[in-house]
Amino acid sequence: SQKIEQNSEALNIQEGKTATLTCNYTNYSPAYLQWYRQDPGRGPVFLLLIRENEKEKRKERLKVTFDTTLKQSLFHITASQPADSATYLCALDTAQAGTALIFGKGTTLSVSS
Amino acid sequence: GAVVSQHPSWVICKSGTSVKIECRSLDFQATTMFWYRQFPKQSLMLMATSNEGSKATYEQGVEKDKFLINHASLTLSTLTVTSAHPEDSSFYICSAWGSGPLNTGELFFGEGSRLTVL
Repeated sequence: SQKIEQNSEALNIQEGKTATLTCNYTNYSPAYLQWYRQDPGRGPVFLLLIRENEKEKRKERLKVTFDTTLKQSLFHITASQPADSATYLCALDTAQAGTALIFGKGTTLSVSS
Repeated sequence: GAVVSQHPSWVICKSGTSVKIECRSLDFQATTMFWYRQFPKQSLMLMATSNEGSKATYEQGVEKDKFLINHASLTLSTLTVTSAHPEDSSFYICSAWGSGPLNTGELFFGEGSRLTVL
C-alpha cells in the first residue's frame, strides 16, 4: 500500500542549530514533493516545492533535498529560531490535473532559546 | 494576504443539526477544490474533491450523504455536515490550486474550520 512517513512526531532542538526533518514514501512516483508549515489551529502554508529531477532546493534558511532512488526528502532549517516552532508536513504531488496532495503526518518542531 | 478564505473558523453545534462551511477562492477561479479533515496530531486526510458544476468525488470511506459538497461557482465550494454527531468533531480545511498568476504549483489552504458537536 502507499505510505508517507515523516521520521518523528516531534523534534526538539536549540536555537541556532540546524533542524533536519525526514520524509519517506513507498509505492508512489511523485512528480513533485512539497513542504508545508502548519501552526496550531491554522491551515498549512506552502514553503517549498522540489521536482523529481531536482536534487536540492533552497529558500533563505530552508533547504530541501529529494532522492527518488531512496524515495526520501530531507528538509533542513538552518540557524533555527523559536519562531520556526511549528508542524512541518511533507506532501506528494503526482502532478495529475485536478488531483490533491497526499500528506504525511507531520513533524512538530520545537526550537528552544 | 490569504487567497483562500474559509468560514466559519469555529462552530459549535448540537448533535443532530447540520453545519455548513464555506470555502472561497479570492482573486482566482478554482474549478476544483479539496476538502481535508484533520484530527489532533494526525495527518490531513483528503475527504473529497469538489468540482465546479458537477458532483464531488469522495474518498473511500467518506459518506457522501453525510458530507454534502456543493461547488456552484468558480470561487465557492461548501461542505455541509448533515446530522452532525460528536464523532464528526474535527478540523476541516479546504484548499485549491491557484490559477492564472497564482498557478505556482502550491496548494492554497483556507484557515480551517474547527467543528465541535455537543
